[in-house]
Amino acid sequence: DVKVTQSSRYLVKRTGEKVFLECVQDMDHENMFWYRQDPGLGLRLIYFSYDVKMKEKGDIPEGYSVSREKKERFSLILESASTNQTSMYLCASSFRLSGELFFGEGSRLTVL
Amino acid sequence: TQLLEQSPQFLSIQEGENLTVYCNSSSVFSSLQWYRQEPGEGPVLLVTVVTGGEVKKLKRLTFQFGDARKDSSLHITAAQPGDTGLYLCAGVGGGSNYKLTFGKGTLLTVNP
Repeated sequence: DVKVTQSSRYLVKRTGEKVFLECVQDMDHENMFWYRQDPGLGLRLIYFSYDVKMKEKGDIPEGYSVSREKKERFSLILESASTNQTSMYLCASSFRLSGELFFGEGSRLTVL
Repeated sequence: TQLLEQSPQFLSIQEGENLTVYCNSSSVFSSLQWYRQEPGEGPVLLVTVVTGGEVKKLKRLTFQFGDARKDSSLHITAAQPGDTGLYLCAGVGGGSNYKLTFGKGTLLTVNP
């Protein structure tokens, strides 16, 4: 069964802390994505990667960075968490850039 | 910027009723995807429509892509509680624009 696994389902962090969200896929997909999902705002793309060590900004990259050192792993980093980054974070992968997205179960981050 | 408007935003119906949700834009899309997201899970692809006027059926769900490829609809016949979830449409831009644009979703609740 194909799978996208996110490291943490629930996290609680304090303002100013550094936060790592990790995502692993087992489908050998070239493309990986990080979205955040907020009520009334839908899914918004933060960053995506189309190859190892390659990344591109999405619609809302401010306050975030990413790392893709291996094909199967894509990490989202919040250098200094703020309360407005409290959200559901969804990782996804795809075979083609505009193809079907396979999502993880999500990581719900609360920043106090 | 390509935008997708979904309506209604919320829908609560009784088991056995029929319903239609809409996904509209002023932009042309090369294809359109429909996802369903159940509580606590990531979105899962239901269908992709590619050709203007295309109709696809998935059991009790019928998806239609508008002739001009600017809009789409999802019709559910005899809804069941298992259909409860957030329905998201996502359009792929035309030409070299591979970017996926998500609508904000329709939250459907089917009461037994």
